[in-house]
Amino acid sequence: EIVLTQSPGTLSLSAGERATVSCRASQSVNRDLAWYQQKPGQAPRLLIYGAFGRATGIPDRFSGSGSGTDFTLTISRLEPEDSAVYFCQQYVSSSSITFGRGTRLEIE
Amino acid sequence: EVHLVESGGGLVQPGGSLRLSCAASGFTLGYSWMSWVRQAPGKGLEWVANINEDGSEKYHVDSVKGRFIISRDNSKSSLHLQMNSLRVEDTAVYYCARGWGWLQFWGQGTLVTVSS
Repeated sequence: EIVLTQSPGTLSLSAGERATVSCRASQSVNRDLAWYQQKPGQAPRLLIYGAFGRATGIPDRFSGSGSGTDFTLTISRLEPEDSAVYFCQQYVSSSSITFGRGTRLEIE
Repeated sequence: EVHLVESGGGLVQPGGSLRLSCAASGFTLGYSWMSWVRQAPGKGLEWVANINEDGSEKYHVDSVKGRFIISRDNSKSSLHLQMNSLRVEDTAVYYCARGWGWLQFWGQGTLVTVSS
């Protein structure tokens, strides 16, 4: 099983700042990595797929980068509604898909 | 518009069974892989199972192998998860989602509580 380690666990920033969330895989996942945003009581929302592809309707403030084992989600010009938990997910094999434990982003 | 609606959750005793369903609309279910993902209260996301377009390929996470079975009925645009020998640690919101890799469309989830 591929383990995804996200850091930090919690991020507290102010509106207008930039957030950087890291996701490290225990072995290479090529670029088979997605990022999701989840707000309380809601289903996850796809942000990024294929490591850097932006999903439909996602603002360009959200960007993804990386390949192999190290990936980054960057959210620029933070807005209050960006407060949420962010998860990475690898899908290099259809028979074993895993998620990171999540990063909580708090906008002060 | 893609719409996924889960049903079948509820309270069940340890060792019991439940069958979850996911009604799909807005797309042709038979053209899509489908997945189940769960989230224990206050915890992260865990992939549970997925199934290919015609049901000939199915994969389950190790923790549910031999207890849960994913299935589909394309003629009724529905996805199912048969859950047997339920354990307390299976308590979670269960989401169905379209696809098997990145998951763009999700249902609202159905809560399964396993408790005596």
